[in-house]
Formats: sequence, structure tokens, C-alpha cells
Amino acid sequence: GDSVTQMEGPVTLSEEAFLTINCTYTATGYPSLFWYVQYPGEGLQLLLKATKADDKGSNKGFEATYRKETTSFHLEKGSVQVSDSAVYFCARRAGSARQLTFGSGTQLTVLP
Amino acid sequence: DGGITQSPKYLFRKEGQNVTLSCEQNLNHDAMYWYRQDPGQGLRLIYYSQIVNDFQKGDIAEGYSVSREKKESFPLTVTSAQKNPTAFYLCASTLGPNGNEQFFGPGTRLTVL
Repeated sequence: GDSVTQMEGPVTLSEEAFLTINCTYTATGYPSLFWYVQYPGEGLQLLLKATKADDKGSNKGFEATYRKETTSFHLEKGSVQVSDSAVYFCARRAGSARQLTFGSGTQLTVLP
Repeated sequence: DGGITQSPKYLFRKEGQNVTLSCEQNLNHDAMYWYRQDPGQGLRLIYYSQIVNDFQKGDIAEGYSVSREKKESFPLTVTSAQKNPTAFYLCASTLGPNGNEQFFGPGTRLTVL
């Protein structure tokens, strides 16, 4: 079935460091791909998305490129801030189904 | 402002009691979803509803029940049959048949004592 595999955390970085969180997905169909962010005690917020191969989603300095050849959608940011500390979830949505399949989440802590 | 509200934010219940979690949206979205989140895990789908008066089981529906009598409301009941109900519960909604983005509520943390 559909699945999403995320890099396990926790990830701890110093402020202004480069961030990569890996995400791979099963290649069934032509899924749309998403990154969501969850701040402590809150619901999830959409960070960025890509709906077809080679699309790049970007928001708030974060980027992810839909790579069909490697079935990946890695999240990157060139210079993280303390305020980026949160849990990040990769997700896929395939075809006409509206349900999302989520990865297990990656906890990011950015130290000043 | 449009959005999804879940209440209460924290809920405590004794073992063996049923409890209903509220989810309301004023986004005029067609589809609504309930997820369960456990520490260190991703979200798992409990139930979803694509239209009023219709809903489908997700991956972990056992011990839960839902109703969708109104477009804006999708309450979740955690019954005494749910073996391990303590978790963070998230409600979400999606606009229309081609809506890609799911909007999430702030969540309800249920603790069963």
C-alpha cells in the first residue's frame, strides 16, 4: 500500500545551520506530496506542496523538490532559526483519494 | 476568520466512559477527517467523511464512532471499546473533490485515567 518514510529524528542543529530532512514515498500512481509542520501543542500547518514531478514547493525559506526518479521529496532550508523548532511531517495524497498518508514525523530542535 | 475548531483542548475521562470530541469548520469544506497521533508516530486515520450523512472507516476505526449530520460538524466518539484511547486527536477538512490541502484543527488531547 501507500507509504511515506521519513528520516528519523530527533534532529538538533545550531542556528543558521543547513537543514535536510529526508522523505521517500511509494510510487503507486502519481501522488501529490506535502510537508506539514506542527508546533508544540498545536495542529498541523501546511508548509509546502508539489503536485507533479520536478515541481519545487517553497515557503518561509523551506524548499522541497518532487523527484520521481528517486521517489523522494526531501525538505531543505539553508539557514534555520530557533523558531523553526517543530515536528515536520512528510505526506502523500494519491489520485482521487483525499486521504493523506503521513510519515512518522521528524522532531527538529534549533539551538541559539 | 475561517477555520477549524476543536473542543476541548484537554479532556480527561475515567476508563470505561464514552467521550465525544467536537470538530467544527466554517470553511464550507466537503470532506472531514479524524486522525490519532501518538508520541513519536505519524498521524493515523480513524474515520473520514466526504459528504453529509456519509462516512468511511480509516485505518484504525475500531473503538470509535462518528456522525456527519451537518456539513460543518464531524464529532468523534471514543467508546469504551477503544483499548488505548489516550492520545492527541486531530480533525481536518478538505475543500471540494480536487482540494489538495488538508486544513487541521488545533487538536484535543484526551487522557483516560
